[in-house]
Amino acid sequence: AQTVTQSQPEMSVQEAETVTLSCTYDTSESNYYLFWYKQPPSRQMILVIRQEAYKQQNATENRFSVNFQKAAKSFSLKISDSQLGDTAMYFCAFASSTGAGSYQLTFGKGTKLSVIP
Amino acid sequence: EAQVTQNPRYLITVTGKKLTVTCSQNMNHEYMSWYRQDPGLGLRQIYYSMNVEVTDKGDVPEGYKVSRKEKRNFPLILESPSPNQTSLYFCASGGVNEQFFGPGTRLTVL
Repeated sequence: AQTVTQSQPEMSVQEAETVTLSCTYDTSESNYYLFWYKQPPSRQMILVIRQEAYKQQNATENRFSVNFQKAAKSFSLKISDSQLGDTAMYFCAFASSTGAGSYQLTFGKGTKLSVIP
Repeated sequence: EAQVTQNPRYLITVTGKKLTVTCSQNMNHEYMSWYRQDPGLGLRQIYYSMNVEVTDKGDVPEGYKVSRKEKRNFPLILESPSPNQTSLYFCASGGVNEQFFGPGTRLTVL
């Protein structure tokens, strides 16, 4: 079974600064997807960024980028120029196909990020 | 607009009173699933469905039932709710590379 570990339950960052959220995972699969989801106080799950394991290039989405280290099974999220609206719970997630159109999506326990004015 | 809808959004009930949380998607996805979110535990999968009439247990299925009679709908049924099922519930649909989540249902069982 896959496991996803987020070792930082809570973090804080000054507005306009950069912060990195850590995530490690364990799997024997060679092809899979990794995600970072943002959950603001509204509770909506919002996809921030996605990485396909077979792509060596790190994914980026505006101020959000990842550092994907496949051999180390590490998938950290960097938020640049932090904004107050980035305050949220962030979940790292792993997905791999289990055959016949099915897949397993496993979440970490989350990191609560607070952006301080 | 592509979306996953859930109803109700908030529900307070009492132990043992059967309830159903509905989930519907308009994206023609074959795969749908239910998760519960609890503080410090992240999201855990309850049940999933690969297609109509095909469902299977996730990591925490005890106390829940599901059905998939139509492709677009995937209701979650609590036959006899207990206080330990107080949680935030999410329905999701999509493929391995992209999932769409509903807005969540906050359930409190007294």
